[in-house]
Amino acid sequence: QKEVEQNSGPLSVPEGAIASLNCTYSDRGSQSFFWYRQYSGKSPELIMFIYSNGDKEDGRFTAQLNKASQYVSLLIRDSQPSDSATYLCAVKRTGSARQLTFGSGTQLTVLP
Amino acid sequence: DAGITQSPRHKVTETGTPVTLRCHQTENHRYMYWYRQDPGHGLRLIHYSYGVKDTDKGEVSDGYSVSRSKTEDFLLTLESATSSQTSVYFCAISENSGRRSYNEQFFGPGTRLTVL
Repeated sequence: QKEVEQNSGPLSVPEGAIASLNCTYSDRGSQSFFWYRQYSGKSPELIMFIYSNGDKEDGRFTAQLNKASQYVSLLIRDSQPSDSATYLCAVKRTGSARQLTFGSGTQLTVLP
Repeated sequence: DAGITQSPRHKVTETGTPVTLRCHQTENHRYMYWYRQDPGHGLRLIHYSYGVKDTDKGEVSDGYSVSRSKTEDFLLTLESATSSQTSVYFCAISENSGRRSYNEQFFGPGTRLTVL
């Protein structure tokens, strides 16, 4: 079992719809959770992070964390073609001394 | 990110040659990291540094060495490059200035390395 798992996609949604990206992790003691966006040929860009159970909203983005079920999700409301990218989930695991473990990413395409 | 640069941005080399990649930051962040990114594997940590001359191995450190003689510079060296080290290499930095940090990491633009 991978430590951080994401569906590789591709995930396609129409413009204006809600895109839902999911990530599961294996270490129950994981502490912080991050979502990065990576455009093709570019470097990962931090979108947001979450460390408490529940929802965290930032503009069109909402991160949701459920530690009991060991999953974290990212919702993108009113999806735009410019949101088309690969989304990486990253987790700070127990005792990892400021290291992050990344999932392989989900490729999202927003169709005009 | 304007505060993190990597050099070179592209490099083609031959098997068996030494290669050094440089990461330079102007953010005075304490932690610096080297990752490689390959299709199907995501980002994998090679080495990281938690201060000048303080480094440690990541999950894929074999064949790589690092050095950090100044806060702003973190060098990654492939002593004898192999074709399996063809990849995109990213440097990242993380802040620890005494305030609470959740280990957010910020990435440089990357170096595309091809080993023939």
